Amino acid sequence: SQQGEEDPQALSIQEGENATMNCSYKTSINNLQWYRQNSGRGLVHLILIRSNEREKHSGRLRVTLDTSKKSSSLLITASRAADTASYFCATVPFERNTPLVFGKGTRLSVIA
Amino acid sequence: KAGVTQTPRYLIKTRGQQVTLSCSPISGHRSVSWYQQTPGQGLQFLFEYFSETQRNKGNFPGRFSGRQFSNSRSEMNVSTLELGDSALYLCASSLNSYEQYFGPGTRLTVT
Repeated sequence: SQQGEEDPQALSIQEGENATMNCSYKTSINNLQWYRQNSGRGLVHLILIRSNEREKHSGRLRVTLDTSKKSSSLLITASRAADTASYFCATVPFERNTPLVFGKGTRLSVIA
Repeated sequence: KAGVTQTPRYLIKTRGQQVTLSCSPISGHRSVSWYQQTPGQGLQFLFEYFSETQRNKGNFPGRFSGRQFSNSRSEMNVSTLELGDSALYLCASSLNSYEQYFGPGTRLTVT
């Protein structure tokens, strides 16, 4: 069963705007990760944030984590048409050696 | 470093047949995980292998099986195919089971 639930399910914005996606999860985690998937292809790892971190940056990406609310957000600034993809959050449960649990993803469309 | 490779990329099979998919991880990665992705169920974990041992298994019927070889390459097998097995099958390798590096996937169509 999926632990992460992304919101919204779909998002359409203009090039240059910022895109924010949210993820909620249910159980204690070791870390949370965000992945991108271009249509019908494999997933690409974007960023990992550990449970003791609150915010992390990577280029145009900013991820926040609120363990008290069991939620995370991914912000993509100054979006480009090439950012059009599905974005998934994945949680690593607190127990060791348990697999990633993916949400159903947010479909982002960036219109040029 | 070469990425994760999966073969074949596309496959069409008939109900009742069996299929074997192959995955070659990134050199040095000992963990290989398999996922099934469908529009309705999303990404679902199948199993994970680490050093030739199955470390985790998802909630799939026994028709789905896998193995890992001493060179970390992995195969998954689906027997007695059903229409509902049509999906994108993704393999991912990892050093530590945290950051996963995915292959391009195998698109399986069952008719």
